[in-house]
Amino acid sequence: GQSLEQPSEVTAVEGAIVQINCTYQTSGFYGLSWYQQHDGGAPTFLSYNGLDGLEEKGRFSSFLSRSKGYSYLLLKELQMKDSASYFCAVGSGGYQKVTFGTGTKLQVIP
Amino acid sequence: EAQVTQNPRYLITVTGKKLTVTCSQNMNHEYMSWYRQDPGLGLRQIYYSMNVEVTDKGDVPEGYKVSRKEKRNFPLILESPSPNQTSLYFCASRDTGFSGNTIYFGEGSWLTVV
Repeated sequence: GQSLEQPSEVTAVEGAIVQINCTYQTSGFYGLSWYQQHDGGAPTFLSYNGLDGLEEKGRFSSFLSRSKGYSYLLLKELQMKDSASYFCAVGSGGYQKVTFGTGTKLQVIP
Repeated sequence: EAQVTQNPRYLITVTGKKLTVTCSQNMNHEYMSWYRQDPGLGLRQIYYSMNVEVTDKGDVPEGYKVSRKEKRNFPLILESPSPNQTSLYFCASRDTGFSGNTIYFGEGSWLTVV
């Protein structure tokens, strides 16, 4: 099965840059996604890495290295509204089975 | 508006009383799934469905049933709920095409079993 590990909590200052890591042990998957979830809300899609390397979408970037079993989400110019939980996720078996990481709660402070 | 709708949003029930959480999507997605979310455990997949009448177990299927008789609907059934099924439940759907890596979630259903 898949196993994705994330730090449970991260604190960063408004305006700064923060990196949220995701390490995994899996024999194969179709790509890695990142989701954001505000307290009491539903997860929403942020980014997807189908290939190794960096994907950039505005203030958010995501990186994947399959050989190292490692991904990260980079958030630039942090805003208070970025305070939320962030989950990495991989799909396997034709992306039918989806496994989520344990989640990282990001707190942005003034 | 593209959305996944689940009901009820909040429910308190008693042990052993059968309940159904409905889920409907309006995006014509073939793939639908159910997740439960518990503190410290993230989101765990309960069941998924690749199309009408095609369902399969996720990582935590025990105590749950699903059915997919129509493309847009994917209800989650708890035949005999127990307190360890107290959780936040999310229904989700996605396209199976090129953009199929994006999962759309419903707003969640808070279920308490006493």
